[in-house]
Amino acid sequence: EDQVTQSPEALRLQEGESSSLNCSYTVSGLRGLFWYRQDPGKGPEFLFTLYSAGEEKEKERLKATLTKKESFLHITAPKPEDSATYLCAVQRPGYGGSQGNLIFGKGTKLSVKP
Amino acid sequence: NAGVTQTPKFRILKIGQSMTLQCTQDMNHNYMYWYRQDPGMGLKLIYYSVGAGITDKGEVPNGYNVSRSTTEDFPLRLELAAPSQTSVYFCASSSTGMGPEAFFGQGTRLTVV
Repeated sequence: EDQVTQSPEALRLQEGESSSLNCSYTVSGLRGLFWYRQDPGKGPEFLFTLYSAGEEKEKERLKATLTKKESFLHITAPKPEDSATYLCAVQRPGYGGSQGNLIFGKGTKLSVKP
Repeated sequence: NAGVTQTPKFRILKIGQSMTLQCTQDMNHNYMYWYRQDPGMGLKLIYYSVGAGITDKGEVPNGYNVSRSTTEDFPLRLELAAPSQTSVYFCASSSTGMGPEAFFGQGTRLTVV
């Protein structure tokens, strides 16, 4: 069965304390892996897309990497404004039209204290 | 610069009542989606549309209906509300299917009592 598992469920960091979030997946026919940020009371906001093992993407303090079985979202020197829930999703053929569907993980809730 | 607009933001329904969740996008996107997000769970696809007049079931369609009479609007209908439909509902739209180009609305928090 296709599934996406994110860990940890929650992560508390001090401002400036770097860490990583994990997204492991078992999917047939992976078309892409996506990271989203979700603030309380808001819809998910796109961060990164990764398509092949070894690929890396960076944006400000965030860096996403991909292997054949998992993806990491590295957060370097986080600030309080990085506090949010980070969602991982994998794209595979199926529901959603020709572009396939996204299977979402449950998310990691990140809190960064000043 | 509205993007994807969902109404209402909050709603409480009694068991057996019906309601329509509204979703409108002003980006001329062909693809539109309805997801539900239960506490501590990943988003699940309910229904989707690849263009006006075309809709199809997603992963969890039971208890819901949709229509797509215009490119802009994609309402989600709940018939005979049940407690299991308590959730946060998100509408999304895209020009190329789910992925980096997809934009989500702010969500509708629905409670069925």
